[in-house]
Amino acid sequence: AQKVTQAQTEISVVEKEDVTLDCVYETRDTTYYLFWYKQPPSGELVFLIRRNSFDEQNEISGRYSWNFQKSTSSFNFTITASQVVDSAVYFCALSEARNFNKFYFGSGTKLNVKP
Amino acid sequence: NAGVMQNPRHLVRRRGQEARLRCSPMKGHSHVYWYRQLPEEGLKFMVYLQKENIIDESGMPKERFSAEFPKEGPSILRIQQVVRGDSAAYFCASSPLLAEQFFGPGTRLTVL
Repeated sequence: AQKVTQAQTEISVVEKEDVTLDCVYETRDTTYYLFWYKQPPSGELVFLIRRNSFDEQNEISGRYSWNFQKSTSSFNFTITASQVVDSAVYFCALSEARNFNKFYFGSGTKLNVKP
Repeated sequence: NAGVMQNPRHLVRRRGQEARLRCSPMKGHSHVYWYRQLPEEGLKFMVYLQKENIIDESGMPKERFSAEFPKEGPSILRIQQVVRGDSAAYFCASSPLLAEQFFGPGTRLTVL
């Protein structure tokens, strides 16, 4: 079974629009960690955020915000006032406390921000 | 403080040749991970190593693939007798203990 599901394969928005990228995860562990990474066209992976399962507070960092809801096993990522430079593939990932070092990645959401 | 280094960035091999991918972790990081990304897909875990030890190789194909992280020098992912299906981006990540993984730029392997 897929541990991390990113149902949106590709999203296109116009600059300055807000966009939310969905991430749904599956685990039986009570302790786990969730991550978001950005992969721009150049191909490298950029770490964006880590959240542990005991901290359900939403987080905001500039134009980025994350909504963690254990009740729905979701960890969604919102970009406010999107910019062309936000165009990238975004990956959500999960690691479980029983084997923290093994990351499970979703298949990614490609975000196209048009001017 | 340099990030995770991988080389080469691009590697072309013919079927049946060997591919060697190198990864130098960030300074102070003793944990290294290898992932494979097939075209249009997410990253798939391959192997987790600490210095001189393989901790988890549950994602490694049983044949032709091996990894090492010697006491001195970079971690090496070795693919013997490459086939076209091995064409992918191979990412290395490093971390201190129990922390987020920082990824290298990847090596894009093309098998002709």
